[in-house]
Amino acid sequence: DTGVSQNPRHKITKRGQNVTFRCDPISEHNRLYWYRQTLGQGPEFLTYFQNEAQLEKSRLLSDRFSAERPKGSFSTLEIQRTEQGDSAMYLCASSLPLGHSYEQYFGPGTRLTVT
Amino acid sequence: SQQGEEDPQALSIQEGENATMNCSYKTSINNLQWYRQNSGRGLVHLILIRSNEREKHSGRLRVTLDTSKKSSSLLITASRAADTASYFCATGSGGSNYKLTFGKGTLLTVNP
Repeated sequence: DTGVSQNPRHKITKRGQNVTFRCDPISEHNRLYWYRQTLGQGPEFLTYFQNEAQLEKSRLLSDRFSAERPKGSFSTLEIQRTEQGDSAMYLCASSLPLGHSYEQYFGPGTRLTVT
Repeated sequence: SQQGEEDPQALSIQEGENATMNCSYKTSINNLQWYRQNSGRGLVHLILIRSNEREKHSGRLRVTLDTSKKSSSLLITASRAADTASYFCATGSGGSNYKLTFGKGTLLTVNP
């Protein structure tokens, strides 16, 4: 399977704990995005990487959130001191370089439950 | 914040019927995309229409775009039970069109 993969698929954690999610994009895609989706809503943009550079962060991404893409391949999203309001599906997407296609390919998501 | 608003929020039809979903958005766009999401396959890109296009077809899908009204519609013809899913419109804006802003979606149920 050469699609976008995300791990873990599900994460249950207690409030105050730190969690880290991983996203492996499609290999030739240099652009990578993180979105968050809550029940009954559409995905909301969190942050965007072009290669290893993080070019934009949403206001939704508080100081407790950090994302990295150290070698321009996989990416990690860390949430520190989780809160119940962080419970959501975290989606990763990737796309071809600028000028090729605007289509984004999404992974299956990581469902986070904070108890 | 959500850019688009889909209408209706939920739609239930019989297999073989056509389904029409509408999307309205607020700011100027470079393109508008429709995505489908179900539990089995996650979020999947269906079709993209650029701001200078008015209509586009792909298989059983037909998308229209009216930039003067800031609205789009997605028509699925001859629906199948497998079309049951949530459908989202997403707008790309800005110089690099890298960021998508999604609506809340329409939940389509196709009854066999």
